[in-house]
Order: sequence, then structure tokens, then C-alpha cells
Amino acid sequence: EAGVTQFPSHSVIEKGQTVTLRCDPISGHDNLYWYRRVMGKEIKFLLHFVKESKQDESGMPNNRFLAERTGGTYSTLKVQPAELEDSGVYFCASSQEWSKEINTEAFFGQGTRLTVV
Amino acid sequence: AQSVTQLGSHVSVSEGALVLLRCNYSSSVPPYLFWYVQYPNQGLQLLLKYTSAATLVKGINGFEAEFKKSETSFHLTKPSAHMSDAAEYFCAVSRSGQGGKLIFGQGTELSVKP
Repeated sequence: EAGVTQFPSHSVIEKGQTVTLRCDPISGHDNLYWYRRVMGKEIKFLLHFVKESKQDESGMPNNRFLAERTGGTYSTLKVQPAELEDSGVYFCASSQEWSKEINTEAFFGQGTRLTVV
Repeated sequence: AQSVTQLGSHVSVSEGALVLLRCNYSSSVPPYLFWYVQYPNQGLQLLLKYTSAATLVKGINGFEAEFKKSETSFHLTKPSAHMSDAAEYFCAVSRSGQGGKLIFGQGTELSVKP
């Protein structure tokens, strides 16, 4: 079974340009999460989808970031326009169930390393 | 609010020596605690998790961690380090009902010397 897949693995763009990151979760996983790690800092939560709906987007830095999950399958994270401080590794994760009683494992992708120059 | 502190951004051990990676958490509610590992050029992989069952949790690759409520700690240990253990390790906390919304520590880079 395929794991969580992220595209591209690396992206270098100029300040002011637009970049779109993609995440394909494990098939059948309703929950999809985006995280970001800025160099030297901890991994931080950005947002959480349950199927196609945004459950929690409290970690999104600002309105230059737009996340979508069409049809509850893959997700995209667009940064427009990109700034220097957006550089970092963007991780996607998915999990099967979301229950008040069960805290199931989140499976992570390998991440997309974004460099804004 | 919840938070996680990992003591030591870099830890170096000799092959065969004890591995001890420290993690302290802060949580106003009973926490769920996790250790993840990231090998070079790979994604995060779950090592083990504590979800209010046994306080001593065994994970993959010989790792284990003990939940100590009185010390608010969840340190990761392995009796004998192997070269293949070299990686970055992350401690994380979440709340029941928060699904996969994790709060991570800063990470600890483990080096293993021959």
C-alpha cells in the first residue's frame, strides 16, 4: 500500500512567485494534516482537513497560504506570493479515524523542501 | 495550552551505548504522547505512542519510553545504540479528540559513533 506522497520533493522559487505543493494521503484516510518546519524551529501544525472540509486552520500563518482538498482526496497548499520567511519543509500527514476516544496514528509524507530566494 | 521541550538538540553516543533522549511536556489535560523518527531523506515515522494505557511503552527498533506524570516526562531510551539509529527524533503531544493535531518538540539529532 502506498504511503503519504508529496510533490515536489524540492522547490526553489523567487520571492513574489507562486508555489503549489501537493499531498496524496493514504487511500481511505479521511484526515489530512499540513505541518511546516522552518529551519532551526520545531514542526508546527498548519491545518486539518476531515474529508473535504477544513476542521482546523488555526496554524495557517496568513492569507498568502491557501489549502484545498478537492473531493476529499489529495490536497494542495498554495503560497501566493511567496516570501523569504516561507522557506522550510512542509509535511503532510494522514490518519484514518477521528474520534474523541481513539487517537490513531498519523502517517507522514517525506516533506517538500521549499526555498524562497 | 500544551507544549513539548526536548533537552538537547544534538546527542552523540557510541555504538552499543545507552541512548537517552529527553522529553518534557506541559498539558492541562491528560496527554497523548508520541515519539517520531526522521531518517535522512525520509518522512516522519512513528516509533511509539502513549495513550493512557501502560506507562512503559515499547516501540519499534528496540526503543521504549516511560510516561512519568509526576515528572511530566516521556524520555526515549534504547539499551544499545546501533549505527542505523542515527536520525532526528521528535517528541510530540496531542489531546484526546484532537486527532492527528500534534505539538512537536524542537527535535534531537542523534549521532552514533563507531
